[in-house]
Parts: sequence; C-alpha cells; structure tokens
Amino acid sequence: EAGVVQSPRYKIIEKKQPVAFWCNPISGHNTLYWYLQNLGQGPELLIRYENEEAVDDSQLPKDRFSAERLKGVDSTLKIQPAELGDSAVYLCASSSGPQAADTQYFGPGTRLTVL
Amino acid sequence: GDSVTQMEGPVTLSEEAFLTINCTYTATGYPSLFWYVQYPGEGLQLLLKATKADDKGSNKGFEATYRKETTSFHLEKGSVQVSDSAVYFCALRDYGGSQGNLIFGKGTKLSVKP
Repeated sequence: EAGVVQSPRYKIIEKKQPVAFWCNPISGHNTLYWYLQNLGQGPELLIRYENEEAVDDSQLPKDRFSAERLKGVDSTLKIQPAELGDSAVYLCASSSGPQAADTQYFGPGTRLTVL
Repeated sequence: GDSVTQMEGPVTLSEEAFLTINCTYTATGYPSLFWYVQYPGEGLQLLLKATKADDKGSNKGFEATYRKETTSFHLEKGSVQVSDSAVYFCALRDYGGSQGNLIFGKGTKLSVKP
C-alpha cells in the first residue's frame, strides 16, 4: 500500500514569490491534515479536511496561506507571497476518518527555504 | 491551552543501553497520549499510544505508561539498537480541548552508537 505522497520534497524560492505544495493521501483516507514543522519543533496543525470540507482551519494564516481539496482526495497548500519566516517543513498526513485520528499517516514533508 | 513538554536532546547512547525520554503534558480534558517516531528521511509514524490512566502502550520493545497523577508518559526501552536512531515526538489528543487535534512536543533526537 502506497503511503502519503508529497511533492516537491524540497523547494527554494525568493521572498514574495508564490509556492505550492501537493499531497496525495493514502487511498480511502477521508481525513487529511496539513502541518507546519519549524526547525527543532513538533508539527503544528494548519488545516484539517474531512473529505473536501475544511473542518478546522483556525491555525491557517489566511492572509497568505490557502488550501484546497476539491475532490476530497489530493490537496494543495499555497503560500502567496512567501516570507522569510515561512522557511520550514510542511507535512501532510491522513487518517481513515475523524475517529481514527489517533493513527495519522505522515508523508515525508516538503522542506521550504525562502531566501 | 493543551501542551506537551519533552526532555531536550540530543540523546546519545551506546547500543544495548537503557533509554528513557521524559514527557509531561497539560490538558483541559482527558487526553489520549502518543509517541510518534521519525526515522531519517521518512514521515512520522505512530510508535505507541495509551488512551486512559494507567494504560501501558508498547511496540518494538518500547513502552510508556499513562500516569495521570504525574501527568507523564515517559518512553522507555531496555536495550536500544543502532536502528532506533530517530527523532521521537510525544503527543496528546484532547477530546475536550484543542478540537481533538494532535498536540506535539518539540521532539527528542536519539543517536545510538555501535
């Protein structure tokens, strides 16, 4: 069974440029999460989807961050414009449903560097 | 709000040494507790969990006991191997707070030398 797929694995951009990250969850997993992981810190939830609905986006900085999961499968997280402080690892995870959120399956992450 | 505090790393041990990584938590409700592990170049994986007080989670020789009286969930292993080198994250899920989302500690990096 394929795991959570993320791309790209690494991205280097200059500040004020836009950037997008893509995630494909495990097949059949209805719940999808985007996390931010700063260096030396644990993951922090940005947004959680149940199918195509964003059920918790309270931690998403909506002035520059956006996300979508149009068909309830794969998802895209976008930053526009990027700032120096956005340099971090962006993790995607999925679970089979909200009741199974204890066992989240994580992708390898996208490491973003903003110059 | 809910939070998790782990001992700071890095922790460096020789093979077959005993491992303890301390974790304490603060929660408004009655959380479930977890240890996740991140091997180099890979995503986080659930290592073990405990859902109520005095429960013991175990997996791959690792154990942790949910201690409500001390609000702790320390990770232990009797004899570590080089392959255990990874970053370990303690986490909680509080159904009464944090909207049921996972709250992670900062992680503890473990290096095991042969």
